[in-house]
Amino acid sequence: QVQLQESGPGLVKPSQTLSLTCTVSGDSVSSDYDYWSWIRQAPGKGLEFIGHVYSRATIYYNPSLRSRLTISTDRTKNQFSLSLSSVTAADTAVYYCARGANLSPFNYWGQGALVTVSS
Amino acid sequence: EIVMTQSPATLSVSPGERATLSCRASQSLTFSAGSYLAWYQQKAGQAPRLLISGASARASGIPARFSGSGSGTEFTLTISSLQSEDVAVYYCQQYDAFPRTFGQGTKVEI
Repeated sequence: QVQLQESGPGLVKPSQTLSLTCTVSGDSVSSDYDYWSWIRQAPGKGLEFIGHVYSRATIYYNPSLRSRLTISTDRTKNQFSLSLSSVTAADTAVYYCARGANLSPFNYWGQGALVTVSS
Repeated sequence: EIVMTQSPATLSVSPGERATLSCRASQSLTFSAGSYLAWYQQKAGQAPRLLISGASARASGIPARFSGSGSGTEFTLTISSLQSEDVAVYYCQQYDAFPRTFGQGTKVEI
């Protein structure tokens, strides 16, 4: 059974960097098939795809966030991570990690981590 | 990017009645053993759950009262007989192109 779990600070100050980690069990972040993805949901809003990493280091960033975004993997810990710089209140959201694949939907999701941007 | 538009925003249905949700893509989605279109259910305070992939294939463990149809740019999710546990927001999502995009959601209430 594949499981994902987000972790990281719940509060970040404006202009600082938001950092989250997703720990994966039941699968490998080194897989050549799976897309390890980040998705966010602002309070009361819909879902926004942030980006993914697959095949160890092939990365896609949503163009709307690309200039502030870094996604990486740690194979030794079977984790992948998200860093979003220069955050504002508009980045306040529940951040989900999820597993997708090429021409496949997101079939496994973490429970989500609420990150609030506030001074 | 492909824009996904869902309607209606809110749907009120009596228990046991049929619920029909619509999703439209701004461009035709590729068809290969089903269009690259998924439906998710999100209950309050929970992560989304995959219901349907390939526009019409139910995910593992999803009850038969959920069905998906459509191709090209027009897609439908039908709940044949609404149960109280089906109260949720439903999202469509295309996985034909990057960035992956979601509709804005349809809230189903009793």
